[in-house]
Amino acid sequence: DAKTTQPPSMDCAEGRAANLPCNHSTISGNEYVYWYRQIHSQGPQYIIHGLKNNETNEMASLIITEDRKSSTLILPHATLRDTAVYYCIVRARDSWGKLQFGAGTQVVVTP
Amino acid sequence: NAGVTQTPKFRILKIGQSMTLQCTQDMNHNYMYWYRQDPGMGLKLIYYSVGAGITDKGEVPNGYNVSRSTTEDFPLRLELAAPSQTSVYFCASSSPFSNGELFFGEGSRLTVL
Repeated sequence: DAKTTQPPSMDCAEGRAANLPCNHSTISGNEYVYWYRQIHSQGPQYIIHGLKNNETNEMASLIITEDRKSSTLILPHATLRDTAVYYCIVRARDSWGKLQFGAGTQVVVTP
Repeated sequence: NAGVTQTPKFRILKIGQSMTLQCTQDMNHNYMYWYRQDPGMGLKLIYYSVGAGITDKGEVPNGYNVSRSTTEDFPLRLELAAPSQTSVYFCASSSPFSNGELFFGEGSRLTVL
């Protein structure tokens, strides 16, 4: 599976949009981009995933560049409960749960 | 549904002791996984299973054993505990018929002294 690069940390004001970048320049054609988050020391929680089209669900939006070498996770209206470590993971569909977690981005939402 | 349940939540072991971390899921998922997370690091895959009776090694299997006799349960056995096994352990499950989402338990914090 391709590796990803994320900034180690970022701050966001409550109520504002949080844009989390991820670089995956070696991604292959059959690899998806997944985002998970981990609040404090809880188990990671799935947020969203995509292959090449932009995706949106009730939690976030995922924007994937046309060349698929990078993506951005958007939390449209950050709340204090969104403070967490966010992981961007690239994996082939047939690798299922064999996820390679990096260090992620520590997002701190401030009042 | 309870989802993925792990026990115990906390445990302190002495060097050389053995123990089993329990994991059970009630979502009828075929796939189950054990990850470990060291402080400030991402998760690393220890073992995984694609169904009852089938297990395979992940990235960091040394010092651990698993078994999968039922769809619901996937225990992780630590033999001869070492300080390097001090970590938080997460069990997860997923379905091959879904979008690939993994459902994680709340974790088991293990300290080896």
